[in-house]
Amino acid sequence: QLQLQESGPGLVKPSETLSLTCTVSGASISSSGYYWGWIRQPPGEGLEWIGSISHTGSTWYNPSVKWRATVSVDTSRNQISLSLMSMTAADTAVYFCVRGGRYSDQSTYYFDFWGQGVLVTVSS
Amino acid sequence: EIVLTQSPGTLSLSPGERGTLFCRASQYVNNRFLAWYQQKPGQAPRLLIYGASNRATGIPARFSGSGSGTDFSLTINRVEPEDFAVYHCQQYGDPPWTFGQGTKVDIK
Repeated sequence: QLQLQESGPGLVKPSETLSLTCTVSGASISSSGYYWGWIRQPPGEGLEWIGSISHTGSTWYNPSVKWRATVSVDTSRNQISLSLMSMTAADTAVYFCVRGGRYSDQSTYYFDFWGQGVLVTVSS
Repeated sequence: EIVLTQSPGTLSLSPGERGTLFCRASQYVNNRFLAWYQQKPGQAPRLLIYGASNRATGIPARFSGSGSGTDFSLTINRVEPEDFAVYHCQQYGDPPWTFGQGTKVDIK
């Protein structure tokens, strides 16, 4: 059974960098042939895709956060990570780790497995 | 980027009724690459439909999706108590992948 579990700080100060980790269990990221990524949801609002990474390290980002976001993979720990620089109050959201489709098969680029999410609040 | 607009904002239904939710795209969605998700309070979204009309694993047959081009819909036949939730559409035809703002289905 595939499971994704996010971890990270619940509170970040303005201008600081957010670092989140997602631990994947039930599948090996390195041999999965899938994209893995991050989606966020501000309180009471809709969903926003942030970025995705493949098992080969190929990355896609949403232009809305591109220069601030970095998604990376640690295959030895079976984890993916999100780094988001220059945090502001607008970045307050629940951040979800997701599986995002088979590599090079756009017909599968929906999100079929989700972590439970972690609430990140930006406040001094 | 493709903007998805969902309607109505809230759909009030009685258990056993049929309801239809709509998702309109600002541009053509390639190959019907559109998905629907269900989200209950405090939970992560759950994939219901992909490719506009294909049910995901374990999704009951009362959920059906249709549409193409810029207009898509999700129909819930004979709404069950566990179906009251927020429903999101998402396009994956043209990056960046985008979502609609959601439709809340609540009890009439």
